[in-house]
Amino acid sequence: EPEVTQTPSHQVTQMGQEVILRCVPISNHLYFYWYRQILGQKVEFLVSFYNNEISEKSEIFDDQFSVERPDGSNFTLKIRSTKLEDSAMYFCASSRSGGVNQPQHFGDGTRLSIL
Amino acid sequence: DAKTTQPNSMESNEEEPVHLPCNHSTISGTDYIHWYRQLPSQGPEYVIHGLTSNVNNRMASLAIAEDRKSSTLILHRATLRDAAVYYCILCMIKAAGNKLTFGGGTRVLVKP
Repeated sequence: EPEVTQTPSHQVTQMGQEVILRCVPISNHLYFYWYRQILGQKVEFLVSFYNNEISEKSEIFDDQFSVERPDGSNFTLKIRSTKLEDSAMYFCASSRSGGVNQPQHFGDGTRLSIL
Repeated sequence: DAKTTQPNSMESNEEEPVHLPCNHSTISGTDYIHWYRQLPSQGPEYVIHGLTSNVNNRMASLAIAEDRKSSTLILHRATLRDAAVYYCILCMIKAAGNKLTFGGGTRVLVKP
């Protein structure tokens, strides 16, 4: 069964550094998402992306965050200048369409640790 | 967004059924009811969804109340692998994309 894959599984970065988290969504999917989960807390929506544009973003997704689909297979989340509070699990997801009856398929996440 | 309410945790014995309730009294007529689960150290995993009728798939069944103000996810024979946090999420029709709003979910413990 096709999967969403995320790399790296664990990223350790110094505060203030830029970090790029990478995802390969399922190949025939058109909608892409990033979520995060701070340790012990709920999974939180960050951003959705369709047709090379952000379709929705949360309050968390401020100017320090950006997303890109640099080629036909990868979907990336960039954090420009990391803060301690950015430490979390980051999950990428994709869905075939954006319809309310479409399931989202998640990767197993990247654990981001900011020192 | 319409809110869902779930118990914090439930316990079950292996090989027995598990019924996970979810209340969503402010659901609107076009909201779909989705269930996801999150196994330890993994990303969320889609389980099932429905609108009005009961639904079955290989993982679970979803029973939706006639007034749609509540639903129940049924795991027919719990295995140790079913130990996870189960999330009941309402999905609204939107112009583009469909973010999932996760609550605290129900943590299911399965005893051997």
